[in-house]
Amino acid sequence: SQELEQSPQSLIVQEGKNLTINCTSSKTLYGLYWYKQKYGEGLIFLMMLQKGGEEKSHEKITAKLDEKKQQSSLHITASQPSHAGIYLCGADADNYGQNFVFGPGTRLSVLP
Amino acid sequence: EAQVTQNPRYLITVTGKKLTVTCSQNMNHEYMSWYRQDPGLGLRQIYYSMNVEVTDKGDVPEGYKVSRKEKRNFPLILESPSPNQTSLYFCATRIGGTWGETQYFGPGTRLLVL
Repeated sequence: SQELEQSPQSLIVQEGKNLTINCTSSKTLYGLYWYKQKYGEGLIFLMMLQKGGEEKSHEKITAKLDEKKQQSSLHITASQPSHAGIYLCGADADNYGQNFVFGPGTRLSVLP
Repeated sequence: EAQVTQNPRYLITVTGKKLTVTCSQNMNHEYMSWYRQDPGLGLRQIYYSMNVEVTDKGDVPEGYKVSRKEKRNFPLILESPSPNQTSLYFCATRIGGTWGETQYFGPGTRLLVL
């Protein structure tokens, strides 16, 4: 079965600093999704990547999917306290779109 | 407004007392799914449904039942809850069952089984 790993597990940065979160898959990714979660709350969809080499940006967050479609990175530029939360990568476990798996999450704290 | 709603949001119960967590969506999505989230284990899929009357097991289905009699509703049933089912539960929907479609999540239901 497909598994997703995320690194780092947690991250503490000073406001204004850039940071990167990685998501690595044991198999080829069909669809890779990034979500943000405030502790104990629902998941907020950030971005979806499908094609090898694809890159998407929204405000100060950029996500990339490597050419082999087994690794994705989420980069935050000039972090703000509002960026704090848990970042989760998720993926379609197969090309039928039925099973879905998540990475364990990366907990981000941004110090003002 | 597009919404996925879950009820109740918080629930404390005792071992063995049957309970149902409801999930409802107003987006006419065919695909619905349930997840549980536990510290150190992340989000794991319990059951999913491709359409009305079509359900299938996810990664951790033991101790749970689901039904999909209407497109908009996908209740999660715990026939005999046990303490190891204490968790944060999320319902999610997507347009269909094709990969590459975004999933939208409900606000979560926090369950404590004593």
